[in-house]
Amino acid sequence: KAGVTQTPRYLIKTRGQQVTLSCSPISGHRSVSWYQQTPGQGLQFLFEYFSETQRNKGNFPGRFSGRQFSNSRSEMNVSTLELGDSALYLCASSLSMPGMNTEAFFGQGTRLTVV
Amino acid sequence: AQSVTQLDSQVPVFEEAPVELRCNYSSSVSVYLFWYVQYPNQGLQLLLKYLSGSTLVKGINGFEAEFNKSQTSFHLRKPSVHISDTAEYFCAVSRGIGNQGGKLIFGQGTELSVKP
Repeated sequence: KAGVTQTPRYLIKTRGQQVTLSCSPISGHRSVSWYQQTPGQGLQFLFEYFSETQRNKGNFPGRFSGRQFSNSRSEMNVSTLELGDSALYLCASSLSMPGMNTEAFFGQGTRLTVV
Repeated sequence: AQSVTQLDSQVPVFEEAPVELRCNYSSSVSVYLFWYVQYPNQGLQLLLKYLSGSTLVKGINGFEAEFNKSQTSFHLRKPSVHISDTAEYFCAVSRGIGNQGGKLIFGQGTELSVKP
């Protein structure tokens, strides 16, 4: 079974630009979550999508957005990039249905550098 | 709200020695508990999980953890470490049910450094 796939692995963007990251979950998984990892703040939850609907949202500004498609693939978008957005962005997928465990499987991440 | 505290930011240890990485959590509701490992420039790999049942949980690579509800702890242990265990380890909690199921709250991480 293929794991969680994130593309691209590395990105360099300029301040003020926007960026879109992609995540393909494990086949059959309907929940996709996004996390930002930085040395200073650690791993922080961005948002979760389940069946094309945002189910949970972390404490990030509106510049961070996401969506999920009918095949469960997800994208996240960051607009008006700031230097502080430089981070490893991790995507995780899980079955996450009521009454079932929430074991999350992570992708390799996308390393975003804003210059 | 839930929170997770990993009590040691760095743990140096010699090869073949035992190790314990400490994790305490705070939550007013029942939670699911997890330990993940992250190797350099990689994503997170699940080591083990506690959902319910036996409080001693065994995971991959010889790791185990014990859930202690009264002390709200979930410490990770390995009786004999290898050089290849050098990595960062994260403790995490989630509500695990309903609409909160997909959200993990992570501790700050513990860097395990195994020396020959």
